[in-house]
Formats: sequence, C-alpha cells, structure tokens
Amino acid sequence: GNSVTQMEGPVTLSEEAFLTINCTYTATGYPSLFWYVQYPGEGLQLLLKATKADDKGSNKGFEATYRKETTSFHLEKGSVQVSDSAVYFCALSDYRATNKLIFGTGTLLAVQP
Amino acid sequence: EPEVTQTPSHQVTQMGQEVILRCVPISNHLYFYWYRQILGQKVEFLVSFYNNEISEKSEIFDDQFSVERPDGSNFTLKIRSTKLEDSAMYFCAWGTGGLATGELFFGEGSRLTVL
Repeated sequence: GNSVTQMEGPVTLSEEAFLTINCTYTATGYPSLFWYVQYPGEGLQLLLKATKADDKGSNKGFEATYRKETTSFHLEKGSVQVSDSAVYFCALSDYRATNKLIFGTGTLLAVQP
Repeated sequence: EPEVTQTPSHQVTQMGQEVILRCVPISNHLYFYWYRQILGQKVEFLVSFYNNEISEKSEIFDDQFSVERPDGSNFTLKIRSTKLEDSAMYFCAWGTGGLATGELFFGEGSRLTVL
C-alpha cells in the first residue's frame, strides 16, 4: 500500500542554516505530494504541494521537488529562522483512488538563535 | 482565526468510558475527516465523511468508533468504550473539493488520555 517515510527528528539548527528534511514515498498510483507544518499549539497547515513528477512546490522560502525516479520529496530551505521551529509532515494522496492523506511521522525542527 | 475549532483541547478519561470529541467548522464545509496521532507515531487516517455519510474508513475505525453531524454544524467523533491504546491527539480536518485541490484544513487537535 501507499506509505511515507521521513527522517526522524529532532533536527536542531542555528538560525540561517540550511535545512533538509528527507521524505520518500511508496505508491502504486500517481500520488500528489505535500508538506504540512504544525506550529506549537496549532493544527496542521499546508506548506507546499506538488501534483506530478518534476513539479517543484514552494512557499515561505521552503521548496520540495517531486522526484519520481527516487520516489522522494525532500523539503529544503536555504536559511532557517527561529520562527520556522515546528513539526513538518510529509504526506501523499492518490486522490483518484482515495480521498485521504497518508502522513509520515513528522519531523521536529528546532531553530536556535 | 482557525477554520476549525475542536473541543475539548484535552480530555482525561478512564478506560471503558465513552468520549465524544467535537469539531465545529466555521463555514459550510463538505468533506470532513478525523485523523489521530499516537505520540511519536504517524498521523493516521480514521474516517472521511461527505454529504452526511461515511465515505471511507480505516481499519482502526472499528465498531467502537462512530461519527455524525447531528445538527449540520458540529462534527463529532465518539469512542464508545475507550482503551488505553486510544490515547492520542485527534485531529478534525475539512476540505472543499476532496483532495483534488490538494489541501485539508486542520483543527488544533484534541488530546485524549485514557488511564
């Protein structure tokens, strides 16, 4: 079945450091891929998405490229800020077959000043 | 302002007790979902609800679970007889045109602790 695997956290970085959070997926169809973020005390919110191979999703300085050959959707940011501290969830959906999101375990990012 | 408000934010209950978690959408939503996350584990899909009916449910969503939208606004998840392993954060979510739009909006979650 479909699944998502993302790197375990916590990831601790200094402000302005480069961020990569790895995400790989297993899917039988043609999924759409997502990154959701959960700030402390809030619900999950969509950060970015890509709906087909080679698409790049971007938002708030974060980027992720849908790589079908490596079944990956790694999240990157060139210079993190303290305000980026949150839990990041990789997710996929094969909405043609099912109406749900499948999430990874989440990766806690802590950015220190 | 959150799109979805969940209550209670935290509930502690004894094993075997019934629990009702509530989700109050702000606007007229069509697709509703319940997800949960056991501490340190994946966010798991429980059930989706469309047009006042369950459209899909996971293996987790057994006879102990039920959902309803009794008055057209509140969306509830009921656990009839809680077990220790039901301790988790429960998230309500909603979407517009299913996942073709690629986005779900989530509530802040209700933490359930079963003792």
